[in-house]
Amino acid sequence: DTAVSQTPKYLVTQMGNDKSIKCEQNLGHDTMYWYKQDSKKFLKIMFSYNNKELIINETVPNRFSPKSPDKAHLNLHINSLELGDSAVYFCASSQDGTGQETQYFGPGTRLLVL
Amino acid sequence: SQQGEEDPQALSIQEGENATMNCSYKTSINNLQWYRQNSGRGLVHLILIRSNEREKHSGRLRVTLDTSKKSSSLLITASRAADTASYFCATGASGSRLTFGEGTQLTVNP
Repeated sequence: DTAVSQTPKYLVTQMGNDKSIKCEQNLGHDTMYWYKQDSKKFLKIMFSYNNKELIINETVPNRFSPKSPDKAHLNLHINSLELGDSAVYFCASSQDGTGQETQYFGPGTRLLVL
Repeated sequence: SQQGEEDPQALSIQEGENATMNCSYKTSINNLQWYRQNSGRGLVHLILIRSNEREKHSGRLRVTLDTSKKSSSLLITASRAADTASYFCATGASGSRLTFGEGTQLTVNP
């Protein structure tokens, strides 16, 4: 069974569209994250939720809105997509979000904005 | 600025050789972790070393941590073509998130 899963795996869309990426973890972890990896493979945290509550919100445009319906799910909705949003988005989870434990990553969603 | 910086950015070796990657960081940490990312895949955790540890082994992996120099190294012994991947260090401090370095791209030639 996949520990952290994301859908879709690939997403190609036009500028200005709104899209969502879904993430689910079956590890029973309390904390989930969204990361953005750019073309140079630089991995930057965007958001972190602990038990459905937002605990990290980096300097991310407010076009990006995470939603956590329960602690096993953390979805990412992006409004008014821009060319610069093209990247690979990774969801991850960890036991308690203290920065002292292993994070488990999903396979990534490759977003291309045309 | 980015907490972890890795060196070299790219490394190409022959199968059977050892590969060493280095990571430097700037502030105090609680632990340092190494992750591997195969092309087109997510990151996979390899090893975690705590700030009070100096060396840790896991199979063909050996990690060292020198907190006085704020640096860590990852050694992969007897490398295989399947070790070809990007390797990232990530630092964690108490109560905060992990911060990832920019990665080392390792290519192991058969």
